[in-house]
Amino acid sequence: GAVVSQHPSRVICKSGTSVKIECRSLDFQATTMFWYRQFPKQSLMLMATSNEGSKATYEQGVEKDKFLINHASLTLSTLTVTSAHPEDSSFYICSASRVVSYEQYFGPGTRLTVT
Amino acid sequence: AQKITQTQPGMFVQEKEAVTLDCTYDTSDPSYGLFWYKQPSSGEMIFLIYQGSYDQQNATEGRYSLNFQKARKSANLVISASQLGDSAMYFCAMRGPNAGKSTFGDGTTLTVKP
Repeated sequence: GAVVSQHPSRVICKSGTSVKIECRSLDFQATTMFWYRQFPKQSLMLMATSNEGSKATYEQGVEKDKFLINHASLTLSTLTVTSAHPEDSSFYICSASRVVSYEQYFGPGTRLTVT
Repeated sequence: AQKITQTQPGMFVQEKEAVTLDCTYDTSDPSYGLFWYKQPSSGEMIFLIYQGSYDQQNATEGRYSLNFQKARKSANLVISASQLGDSAMYFCAMRGPNAGKSTFGDGTTLTVKP
């Protein structure tokens, strides 16, 4: 199956700093990438959908200025958590999709801890 | 709007036995895809099985099968011959036409007992 990587896998940062998470599709061109947030023992919550070369579409309640998403190429999307606070600590997962397929391929996730 | 319901927060099964994880869905789209994913404690989402809304036969992938009952809007996952490594959280998900965003259920935590 297709491979999606995420970097870093774990990150600890201080409150007030910004953190960038990268999501790469390694062996296919991803026309659409999705960013999810997951709290322990809970389901995935979609944060935003990004299409290559256009602005991301954010879900209701997700702060656009806090969670900056860039999808600059067909193989790379980034999520930047700006001015992070402890409540932003969570597991962030990206997924990538091709137009011709229903399937989406998930990255391994990034565990963010804000101290 | 799409909705996925998983009514079993936790399930237990004895090793080597079969187990069914329930999933019901709701959508007004005539075309959609249904998925099951496994999420072990490591956090990665592992794709298990896919069923298209127009597929006539139930999907099977090794020990996994999807019991698709379209009229009842259910898509239950059956795991045969459970193994200790099957212990994980399982999510049912749906994706609408044009390969848009997915809707996930709340998940079922499966524990396989030796």
